[in-house]
Amino acid sequence: GAVVSQHPSWVICKSGTSVKIECRSLDFQATTMFWYRQFPKQSLMLMATSNEGSKATYEQGVEKDKFLINHASLTLSTLTVTSAHPEDSSFYICSARVIAGHETQYFGPGTRLLVL
Amino acid sequence: GEDVEQSLFLSVREGDSSVINCTYTDSSSTYLYWYKQEPGAGLQLLTYIFSNMDMKQDQRLTVLLNKKDKHLSLRIADTQTGDSAIYFCAEKWRVSGTYKYIFGTGTRLKVLA
Repeated sequence: GAVVSQHPSWVICKSGTSVKIECRSLDFQATTMFWYRQFPKQSLMLMATSNEGSKATYEQGVEKDKFLINHASLTLSTLTVTSAHPEDSSFYICSARVIAGHETQYFGPGTRLLVL
Repeated sequence: GEDVEQSLFLSVREGDSSVINCTYTDSSSTYLYWYKQEPGAGLQLLTYIFSNMDMKQDQRLTVLLNKKDKHLSLRIADTQTGDSAIYFCAEKWRVSGTYKYIFGTGTRLKVLA
């Protein structure tokens, strides 16, 4: 199956700093990637849809100036959490849309962010 | 509608069958999926079913879809300790010219040796 990687796998940062998370499709090109957030023992909440070469589409309630998404190439999307605060601590998961017969998505391993 | 409901926990003995249930609300779903998430990891696609199918079998996995009742189930035969994980169902539906995926609340499966 298609492989999606994320980097870093976990990060601890001080409140007020910015953190960049990378999502890469390793053996295929992905024009569309998705960014999710998962709180402990909860389901995934879609934050935004990242489209290569265009602006990301954010879900209702997600601040686009807080969570900056850049999808500059067909294999890389980045999520930058700007001026992170403790309430931004969460598990961030990306996925890449794959169309092979039908459309599905393959997930990265996730990035755990802890803001102190 | 965007609510996808699952029971929170399921505990079974090794070798028994597990049945994980999911109810969804949007009748325009095109595909429905089952994902597995192990601790601290991303989601692994297990299987999927097209909305015009009733059943799909894939080795130890059987997916049943009751479109009238908007009910989806995943049966794992001969459950093993390695099957312990959280299982998410997800529906894909079209909204405003694009596709959207809605995930269920997740069922934590614990397999007892």
